[in-house]
Amino acid sequence: DQQVKQNSPSLSVQEGRISILNCDYTNSMFDYFLWYKKYPAEGPTFLISISSIKDKNEDGRFTVFLNKSAKHLSLHIVPSQPGDSAVYFCAATLRGTSYGKLTFGQGTILTVHP
Amino acid sequence: DADVTQTPRNRITKTGKRIMLECSQTKGHDRMYWYRQDPGLGLRLIYYSFDVKDINKGEISDGYSVSRQAQAKFSLSLESAIPNQTALYFCATSDPAGVETQYFGPGTRLLVL
Repeated sequence: DQQVKQNSPSLSVQEGRISILNCDYTNSMFDYFLWYKKYPAEGPTFLISISSIKDKNEDGRFTVFLNKSAKHLSLHIVPSQPGDSAVYFCAATLRGTSYGKLTFGQGTILTVHP
Repeated sequence: DADVTQTPRNRITKTGKRIMLECSQTKGHDRMYWYRQDPGLGLRLIYYSFDVKDINKGEISDGYSVSRQAQAKFSLSLESAIPNQTALYFCATSDPAGVETQYFGPGTRLLVL
C-alpha cells in the first residue's frame, strides 16, 4: 500500500518556466512533509519542508504548497534552471511518534531544457 | 570530506553469498537509517537505529540484518543474497533536533546474479 504517491514519473520543462511536481498521500495522520532532490550517483538531499499547520512554505525559487483536505502537496520551481534537472522525491512523516521515519513517494524525474 | 560515506559504492555478488554494506558518518548524529531504492518504488526503509543499543525494523527488513558498531557506524548485511535484492542502497543520518531532515550517503549499487 503506497501511502505517498507521485503519479508523474517524469516532467519536462523549458528553462525559465515553472516546474510543478505533485504528490498525494493517503494517511491523514501525516503532519510533516518534505521534498528531496537526487542527482545521479549521489544520495538524496533535503530541499524544502512544510508542516501541516501551514499551507505554503517558500525558499528562494522553491515553494511547497499543502492542501490537507485533498491530501495533496506540490513543489513549484520558478524559474526552472537546467541545474534543477534531477529526481525529486516527496516524503511524509508523523512528527513526535515516528522518530524520523519517512515514507517516500516513487520520485519524479525533472528535466529542464536550455 | 563527505559527512556520510558508504562502502562499497558498487558490488556484484552471486545468489547465496553473504554481503555487508558499510556506512560511516562524521556528523555526530545518533540516528541512522538504511533504505533501498527500486525503480518505481521510491525509497523504502529497511532498518533504523536511534543509538548503539536501539535497532528497529523498517518496512522491508526480511532478508537483511544490521549492526550498529558505534555511533558513527551502521552496517547492513544480506545473509544470503537473492536477485530481488538487486537495488540501490542508501544510508542516512539525522539528529534528534531535526529528525525529519535526513542526510544521505552516496549509495551502494548492488547487483545479485
